[in-house]
Amino acid sequence: DTAVSQTPKYLVTQMGNDKSIKCEQNLGHDTMYWYKQDSKKFLKIMFSYNNKELIINETVPNRFSPKSPDKAHLNLHINSLELGDSAVYFCASSQTGDYGYTFGSGTRLTVV
Amino acid sequence: GENVEQHPSTLSVQEGDSAVIKCTYSDSASNYFPWYKQELGKGPQLIIDIRSNVGEKKDQRIAVTLNKTAKHFSLHITETQPEDSAVYFCAALGRGGATNKLIFGTGTLLAVQP
Repeated sequence: DTAVSQTPKYLVTQMGNDKSIKCEQNLGHDTMYWYKQDSKKFLKIMFSYNNKELIINETVPNRFSPKSPDKAHLNLHINSLELGDSAVYFCASSQTGDYGYTFGSGTRLTVV
Repeated sequence: GENVEQHPSTLSVQEGDSAVIKCTYSDSASNYFPWYKQELGKGPQLIIDIRSNVGEKKDQRIAVTLNKTAKHFSLHITETQPEDSAVYFCAALGRGGATNKLIFGTGTLLAVQP
């Protein structure tokens, strides 16, 4: 019954590898987001999709590539992982006109 | 760009006392201000929000006040309990080109001592 689910919950990988994080929401929302939370707990938006269309693309290295196959799914692929990519990545969703975001439980990425 | 400042960064109170967290925002066009609670190992959870046409909103032990002129808003928790211990984030809805995006404050770690 999880509203916004992310997989995996933990991801440990070596520098230079490529990895993906998946997100699915069953709330019927039309907008999905990726946020990055660093070690100081600061939450920063990375991307947003509305009905599969990219609408927000913050200053993020182009090693990060989001993909939305449909409005219920938003995946994040990261190429050539670097130590500085270590963080918790949160997926969220909302409905146009209703600004409240629902967050997933996060994916803790550790690059070694 | 849009900015949200949050204070204090840490707050320790005795059980039963009140806790107040304050935020200021920079974008005068912002019209929606939510508060999120993040427990250890979990994602942020919306606990209360306020829109710019309202000055105050209350939900049981939590309340939020908004001063649009001064561009600041506050979270008030009364009769604090140990389960209120968490990181609290304020946010403001900023413009992101054709759409809106939530800009978060830097968080407040609230510790309620039994």
